[in-house]
Amino acid sequence: DTEVTQTPKHLVMGMTNKKSLKCEQHMGHRAMYWYKQKAKKPPELMFVYSYEKLSINESVPSRFSPECPNSSLLNLHLHALQPEDSALYLCASSSMTSGRVGELFFGEGSRLTVL
Amino acid sequence: AQTVTQSQPEMSVQEAETVTLSCTYDTSESDYYLFWYKQPPSRQMILVIRQEAYKQQNATENRFSVNFQKAAKSFSLKISDSQLGDAAMYFCAYERGGSEKLVFGKGTKLTVNP
Repeated sequence: DTEVTQTPKHLVMGMTNKKSLKCEQHMGHRAMYWYKQKAKKPPELMFVYSYEKLSINESVPSRFSPECPNSSLLNLHLHALQPEDSALYLCASSSMTSGRVGELFFGEGSRLTVL
Repeated sequence: AQTVTQSQPEMSVQEAETVTLSCTYDTSESDYYLFWYKQPPSRQMILVIRQEAYKQQNATENRFSVNFQKAAKSFSLKISDSQLGDAAMYFCAYERGGSEKLVFGKGTKLTVNP
């Protein structure tokens, strides 16, 4: 059972649409992540939130806008996307405790198709 | 910049046999961590095993163990008594201490034959 829940599991949108991906965790983790994964490729880091503040932005285009309303929730707002943005978007969380560095818990992902 | 290299795009193993997946990395840091993550088809990625660079002892988790050769910058994963459920994409990953950034290798697709 996944402890990181992502919705929706599948999303199809046009290039002019505005949509959002949502991620929720109830493990008390203080870091949350968005990754983008293309088929047969490793995940690519997009954003990191630590203690609800954006700590890393990997030069992601502004058509992707992250939001962390509270420590349990992470959103990714999508606007004016391009077909090449079609991918699996993974959310992850971690506790940030010293004994568990790098131990990320991933959701099942939201598969996005941009037409 | 740190890099992680997995030289085996695909591997296969017979059920109940042992297989070793290779990983090398490049870093000039002394404080870092290494990981193997497993991503089964259409299921979420999970952590298989982690290794702190300062620990000489190789990490072990049940049927999974690593061979950590720090000087050679090598971090291989051994899966013993392979099971059908081990079939997945396996990613080797590196994190510099305190960076919050995992650097992934390109992955190795493991097939387990019955």
